[in-house]
Amino acid sequence: AAGVIQSPRHLIKEKRETATLKCYPIPRHDTVYWYQQGPGQDPQFLISFYEKMQSDKGSIPDRFSAQQFSDYHSELNMSSLELGDSALYFCASSPRLAGGPGETQYFGPGTRLLVL
Amino acid sequence: QQQVKQSPQSLIVQKGGISIINCAYENTAFDYFPWYQQFPGKGPALLIAIRPDVSEKKEGRFTISFNKSAKQFSLHIMDSQPGDSATYFCAAKGETSGSRLTFGEGTQLTVNP
Repeated sequence: AAGVIQSPRHLIKEKRETATLKCYPIPRHDTVYWYQQGPGQDPQFLISFYEKMQSDKGSIPDRFSAQQFSDYHSELNMSSLELGDSALYFCASSPRLAGGPGETQYFGPGTRLLVL
Repeated sequence: QQQVKQSPQSLIVQKGGISIINCAYENTAFDYFPWYQQFPGKGPALLIAIRPDVSEKKEGRFTISFNKSAKQFSLHIMDSQPGDSATYFCAAKGETSGSRLTFGEGTQLTVNP
């Protein structure tokens, strides 16, 4: 079965650089979520999109922005990177159901970002 | 402030034993409670989920017990196997918390052969 695809899988950046993370949801899933997971931590919700509109916003820094495109893939743009941004970034997707997004979230393999 | 509290932080079980992980929540608006399994370097994978209208749900060796009045739920892994060694996260979601999952702190489970 198709899963959530994330790219790149690994990324190394210098402080103050920018990074773009991409997420391709499972086919026929129209809701995308972004989470950040620090070492030994639980995933923290950043932002989500439903039908290409921002649907929820969590603890996402102002330096980060995200969007969902017409093909439902999403990109997380991170600028002025800081050492503390080093983490695993997960994308998850939910299927389309009548009345709104399904509640089950399927996670991708993640992008490991290291900021030096 | 951790909205979903999970315990224990780590758990060691012998092969064939029962692994029990507990979670407690405060937000009574939560109405969906999934458990995720995560291996190192991998994304969380959904194991099993429950809604508050049932007190127990079983899928294979995995059982969720739910106590709505106590605002607690737990994961039981029967006949634990070394391949079950992973980090387990409970989570919660509700209408008033938007579409996000709120995770517990995680439990590192080790099943010894």
